[in-house]
Amino acid sequence: NAGVTQTPKFRVLKTGQSMTLLCAQDMNHEYMYWYRQDPGMGLRLIHYSVGEGTTAKGEVPDGYNVSRLKKQNFLLGLESAAPSQTSVYFCASTYPRAEVVNTGELFFGEGSRLTVL
Amino acid sequence: AQSVTQLDSQVPVFEEAPVELRCNYSSSVSVYLFWYVQYPNQGLQLLLKYLSGSTLVKGINGFEAEFNKSQTSFHLRKPSVHISDTAEYFCAVSDLRGAYKYIFGTGTRLKVLA
Repeated sequence: NAGVTQTPKFRVLKTGQSMTLLCAQDMNHEYMYWYRQDPGMGLRLIHYSVGEGTTAKGEVPDGYNVSRLKKQNFLLGLESAAPSQTSVYFCASTYPRAEVVNTGELFFGEGSRLTVL
Repeated sequence: AQSVTQLDSQVPVFEEAPVELRCNYSSSVSVYLFWYVQYPNQGLQLLLKYLSGSTLVKGINGFEAEFNKSQTSFHLRKPSVHISDTAEYFCAVSDLRGAYKYIFGTGTRLKVLA
């Protein structure tokens, strides 16, 4: 069982380049999230989705776009990368059903380390 | 609005000694509390959670936490740490409503010394 898979795991970009991070989950989760992790700042929510075809802004959405065309995939795009977007990006998912024993638990991918020069 | 404070950014402790990692939160609504652990170069995984019931919650790897509503705290404890417990620990809260948005603390880096 793969859980949450992120690709790529590492990427180096030049300022102004674009790229897409892919998150795929095989747990049939409805809710998916993109976070960025920076030293001393914990995890900050970029965008999230509560279902196929829906997305919403989180705490730090500027400079990012997302899409959820399929329930199992959540894509994070950077249209014009900036050095301030150098970070480790985490995708997470969860299943919002009260009767599920692991309710409330976020399942994380292993992260994607992005460097923007 | 909710917030989470982890006052200790780093905690060094000798192997087999006890440890407590502190977490305080604020919220205008009822929240649920979580501790996650992140080992080097890995994603986060759930250590334990408080949803309801007993305020003393036991998790994996011998960790436990106590929910204290009056002090708005959810401190993580382990009576005897191992080298393998060296990791970063994050406290998080969520009201588990709507989109289930979670607020994470800034993390505490636990370093277990031999």
